[in-house]
Amino acid sequence: SQKIEQNSEALNIQEGKTATLTCNYTNYSPAYLQWYRQDPGRGPVFLLLIRENEKEKRKERLKVTFDTTLKQSLFHITASQPADSATYLCALPYMDSSYKLIFGSGTRLLVRP
Amino acid sequence: KAGVTQTPRYLIKTRGQQVTLSCSPISGHRSVSWYQQTPGQGLQFLFEYFSETQRNKGNFPGRFSGRQFSNSRSEMNVSTLELGDSALYLCASAGTGGNTEAFFGQGTRLTVV
Repeated sequence: SQKIEQNSEALNIQEGKTATLTCNYTNYSPAYLQWYRQDPGRGPVFLLLIRENEKEKRKERLKVTFDTTLKQSLFHITASQPADSATYLCALPYMDSSYKLIFGSGTRLLVRP
Repeated sequence: KAGVTQTPRYLIKTRGQQVTLSCSPISGHRSVSWYQQTPGQGLQFLFEYFSETQRNKGNFPGRFSGRQFSNSRSEMNVSTLELGDSALYLCASAGTGGNTEAFFGQGTRLTVV
């Protein structure tokens, strides 16, 4: 069955540094991959979508890469700020429907001032 | 435009009772999905409705059900509540097109005692 893995350990970095989060998946070749941000007690908020034919996507300080050979996506936040502290989730559509998303367990990012 | 609205925000129920949660999607969105989020299992897909029809279903027991109305508003129902049903229930709406982002509501925090 489809599986997504994200580093369950929190990532603790200094303000101004680049945060890099990893999402690995198996048993699947998705047409796209999404990244969401979730703050405690709130619903996830969509950040970026990258399609299988795109190697890289950028939005302001965010950058996502998608390596379909390695079955891996990397999510980068450059010039990180304490306000970037949150849990970041990657999500893939199920094989049988674009409207069913399977989520990774998320990686918690802590940015120290 | 207004985001996804879920009511109520918090609920406390007793084992064996049933509960109904409500979700109003973004105007114009016809796809409404429900997810359960727990610390142990993360975000798990429950079901998705489109134009009043259940189009996709996750691996949850029949105690979990839902419906969608002609105005795209959706409800989910959980009968015979168990302690393990305590979770954050999230609703997400999406536009047409398939590989599009999901817009999540704030969620309903259900506690079963």
